[in-house]
Amino acid sequence: EIVMTQSPATLSVSPGERATLSCRASQSVSSNLAWYQQKPGQAPRLLIYGASTRATGIPARFSGSGSGTEFTLTISSLQSEDFAVYYCQQYNNWQYTFGQGTKLEIK
Amino acid sequence: QVQLQESGPGLVKPSETLSLTCTVSGGSISSYYWSWIRQPPGKGLEWIGYIYYSGSTNYNPSLKSRVTISVDTSKNQFSLKLSSVTAADTAVYYCARDHCTNGVCYTGVFDYWGQGTLVTVSS
Repeated sequence: EIVMTQSPATLSVSPGERATLSCRASQSVSSNLAWYQQKPGQAPRLLIYGASTRATGIPARFSGSGSGTEFTLTISSLQSEDFAVYYCQQYNNWQYTFGQGTKLEIK
Repeated sequence: QVQLQESGPGLVKPSETLSLTCTVSGGSISSYYWSWIRQPPGKGLEWIGYIYYSGSTNYNPSLKSRVTISVDTSKNQFSLKLSSVTAADTAVYYCARDHCTNGVCYTGVFDYWGQGTLVTVSS
């Protein structure tokens, strides 16, 4: 099983500032990496797939980068609606695994 | 707009079988992969397995011995059965569809999700 590890567990950032979230895979997943945003009581929302491709309707302030085992989600200028939990997920080998999540909170 | 809706009992007794159905509306169940994903209260996401509309399946190895996913294309539904449940199976269960764009589908990327249904395992 490919283990996905996200850091930090909690990130405190002020509105308008940049947030950088990290995700590491226990073995290479190439670029088969997605990011999701989840707000309380809601299903996850797809933000990024292919490590760096924004899903339809996702604002340009969200960007993804990385390949192999190291990945980053950057939110360039945090808006109030961006404070949520973010999950990375690999889909490289027909067995899909998620990271444990990073909670992005208001500083 | 494709919509997914989970349905089934919200309370299941230990050792019994959890059964959920996902009804797809606004689009056909054909030509896509459909997954079940769960989330224990306050915890992260776990992929349970998928089914292709043709009936082929793939399960999470950690759950494989207890999971069955089936599809009914005539009803535009797919279903989950999880046997011998324990309290550790208490979770919100989501159904989800793979992301497809410009004629290309990305198996394992989930862009349509149901709202989720909480299943509690308790006597």
